[in-house]
Amino acid sequence: QKEVEQNSGPLSVPEGAIASLNCTYSDRGSQSFFWYRQYSGKSPELIMFIYSNGDKEDGRFTAQLNKASQYVSLLIRDSQPSDSATYLCAVKSGSARQLTFGSGTQLTVLP
Amino acid sequence: NAGVTQTPKFQVLKTGQSMTLQCAQDMNHNSMYWYRQDPGMGLRLIYYSASEGTTDKGEVPNGYNVSRLNKREFSLRLESAAPSQTSVYFCASSEVGGEGEKLFFGSGTQLSVL
Repeated sequence: QKEVEQNSGPLSVPEGAIASLNCTYSDRGSQSFFWYRQYSGKSPELIMFIYSNGDKEDGRFTAQLNKASQYVSLLIRDSQPSDSATYLCAVKSGSARQLTFGSGTQLTVLP
Repeated sequence: NAGVTQTPKFQVLKTGQSMTLQCAQDMNHNSMYWYRQDPGMGLRLIYYSASEGTTDKGEVPNGYNVSRLNKREFSLRLESAAPSQTSVYFCASSEVGGEGEKLFFGSGTQLSVL
């Protein structure tokens, strides 16, 4: 079982819709959770991080964390074609110095 | 404001050849990392350096060596390249601040080993 799992997609949503990206993790000791966006042929860039259970909002992005169920999600409201990218979930356990990445979910927003 | 700079951007090697990937950051970060990215595999950590003078193995270190030359520079060396090392390589550096730990990535090196 992979430590961090994501649905590879592709996930397609129409412009203006809500895109929902999910990630599950296996280490119950995980404490920090990150979402990176990676455009095709480019390097990943951090868009959200969350440490506490519940929701964290930043503009059109909302990260949701449920430690009891060991999942973290990213919601993108009012999706735009420019949101089309691969979204990488990354998790840091309490004992680890480095992040463990999921394999990413490819999102396509259709005009 | 360059951030993290990697060279080269593309490289083709024959099996058995050696090469060094260079990475430099100008953000005064203590920690630096080398990742590889393969289709469907996500980013996997090869080596990291928590501070100048220290290096540690990551998830997939076999076939690689690293050098933390100084606080700015962290190089990755393939001593005898193998086709299994065909991948996209990313260097990253990180800071730990009030908003948590953020990784900043270089633009990547696409390596093909024939």
